[in-house]
Amino acid sequence: DTAVSQTPKYLVTQMGNDKSIKCEQNLGHDTMYWYKQDSKKFLKIMFSYNNKELIINETVPNRFSPKSPDKAHLNLHINSLELGDSAVYFCASSQAGSYEQYFGPGTRLTVT
Amino acid sequence: AQSVTQLGSHVSVSEGALVLLRCNYSSSVPPYLFWYVQYPNQGLQLLLKYTTGATLVKGINGFEAEFKKSETSFHLTKPSAHMSDAAEYFCAVSDRGSQGNLIFGKGTKLSVKP
Repeated sequence: DTAVSQTPKYLVTQMGNDKSIKCEQNLGHDTMYWYKQDSKKFLKIMFSYNNKELIINETVPNRFSPKSPDKAHLNLHINSLELGDSAVYFCASSQAGSYEQYFGPGTRLTVT
Repeated sequence: AQSVTQLGSHVSVSEGALVLLRCNYSSSVPPYLFWYVQYPNQGLQLLLKYTTGATLVKGINGFEAEFKKSETSFHLTKPSAHMSDAAEYFCAVSDRGSQGNLIFGKGTKLSVKP
């Protein structure tokens, strides 16, 4: 069973479109995250979320918004896509107090 | 603010040679420390972590790392490199507050020559 899964694996879209990336974890964790990995492989936290608190990295544009329908899911919505949004997006999860994060396989977003 | 520095964006070793990947962190409080590995076109896999206790930690695939508070370092080593170790390696620290967000170094690409 896949612990943290993401769909789609690849996403190609045009500038200005709105898209979503889904993330699901079956580990029973209570905290989920989104990271962005740029073309130079640099990883940066975008959001962390549990049922009590959403923490947003201040550098993330407000075109990006996380949505959590339930504890096992944290989807990423992106409005008005820009060329600079092209990257690999990773979802991760952890149990409170553990700080050990489990990562999904990533979604490669290409904006043309 | 915490930061992580990985010395060397690319390290090349021969098969069977020692692997040493360097990581230094800056933090006013000893953080939790992690090494992750990323194989091509895959997600990140946890190699090992330091939280408390023994400063020499052993991970998967024969890797280990030692937390040295005086040097603010957490270098990753493996006595004998294998071809399958070729990958990108990331050192990370956890912000103990803020739900434990990971702050990553810029990564070190390890190449293993036959």
